Amino acid sequence: QLQLQESGPGLVKPSETLSLTCTVSNGSISSSNYYWGFFRQPPGKTLEWIGNIFKSGSTYYNPSLQSRLTMSIDTSRNQISLKLTSVTAADTGVYYCASLGARIVVTGWGPGTLVTVSS
Amino acid sequence: DVQMTQSPSTLSASVGDRVNITCRASQSIKDWLAWYQQIPGKAPKLLIHKTSLLNNGVSSKFSGSVSGTEFTLTINSLQSSDFATYYCHQYNEYPWTFGQGTKLEIK
Repeated sequence: QLQLQESGPGLVKPSETLSLTCTVSNGSISSSNYYWGFFRQPPGKTLEWIGNIFKSGSTYYNPSLQSRLTMSIDTSRNQISLKLTSVTAADTGVYYCASLGARIVVTGWGPGTLVTVSS
Repeated sequence: DVQMTQSPSTLSASVGDRVNITCRASQSIKDWLAWYQQIPGKAPKLLIHKTSLLNNGVSSKFSGSVSGTEFTLTINSLQSSDFATYYCHQYNEYPWTFGQGTKLEIK
């Protein structure tokens, strides 16, 4: 069974760039069975979809974040990455990566990592 | 964007009860709707996808249905482990969107 693990700084200053990595184990990030996504959840609020990335590198981003967001895939390291620029306190929350499937929308989640934007 | 209006926001029920949680989509999403259960501090758990298909390993006490653009999650015979927050999620079109959540509490 695939395992996903997010990693990131935990604390980011306002106006700086948030960088997160999701490492996939027990399977290949190049598998044709999956594509990959990031979601986030501000404290006490609902989930928000950030974006999806395919093994080809093609992406779909949430328009609300598109101007600040870059997602990438590194097949040699079995990782996907997220960069979000010019962060504010509104970007504080738990960030999740997920494996996505054509038949079952979400096949697995990482445990999530809390990112706090504060000076 | 497709708006998902989820209700109620809080639901109080007793062990053994049957409850319904609904999500209304602002436009057609066909049957591309999922339901998740989330326990505090944990990642969401997929219960149902494509409106009514039970995810692998999920108890059959959970079921999903639809009438028009109103989707319903039904939970039968509530147990203590079912008291959590539930979210609907449309994935018919980008951007994917979620309902605001329903917190199921013990009465």
